Amino acid sequence: NAGVTQTPKFRILKIGQSMTLQCAQDMNHNYMYWYRQDPGMGLKLIYYSVGAGITDKGEVPNGYNVSRSTTEDFPLRLELAAPSQTSVYFCASSYSSTSGNTIYFGEGSWLTVV
Amino acid sequence: KNEVEQSPQNLTAQEGEFITINCSYSVGISALHWLQQHPGGGIVSLFMLSSGKKKHGRLIATINIQEKHSSLHITASHPRDSAVYICAVTTRFYYMRFGAGTRLTVKP
Repeated sequence: NAGVTQTPKFRILKIGQSMTLQCAQDMNHNYMYWYRQDPGMGLKLIYYSVGAGITDKGEVPNGYNVSRSTTEDFPLRLELAAPSQTSVYFCASSYSSTSGNTIYFGEGSWLTVV
Repeated sequence: KNEVEQSPQNLTAQEGEFITINCSYSVGISALHWLQQHPGGGIVSLFMLSSGKKKHGRLIATINIQEKHSSLHITASHPRDSAVYICAVTTRFYYMRFGAGTRLTVKP
């Protein structure tokens, strides 16, 4: 199993550009998450999904969109990139709620907006 | 004040030392997680616990629900243990709240 795979690993965007971070998991997990990690701060939840066709906002959703058309894939769309979106992004998944299930993370995507 | 606080922020130890990292939280939780983030960025789950104590190899995690406190211990530390250790709690709904992490450096 590959686990959670996210691409690209590194990306530089110009202000106003758009891009999609891809995330796929092969563990048949229902729950998927997108987090961002800023220096000296804990991870913050951007969006999450509890199953195909179901998504909801997390703590910091502004400037982002997601979709969940299949169980495996959970892409994160950045529209009109801003310098404040410079961060490290992590996709994660769990079989069910993390109140009883281990969470698995992708390797991270380093995004710089200039 | 953050809902999950870790201490210390940075920790340097000599190989072989016993290490303790602390985590305090201020919200109701259903589970607490300890995660390890290596210099390359990847994050792996070490423990998930809701009560008592768990042990895996040289790592021990404990939680005191009444005091809202957890500790991660590393016995006989080794340079390969150098990483950022993150405490996270699962609250209601599907939110996890994360501490800022403790950067551990173990010197040979």
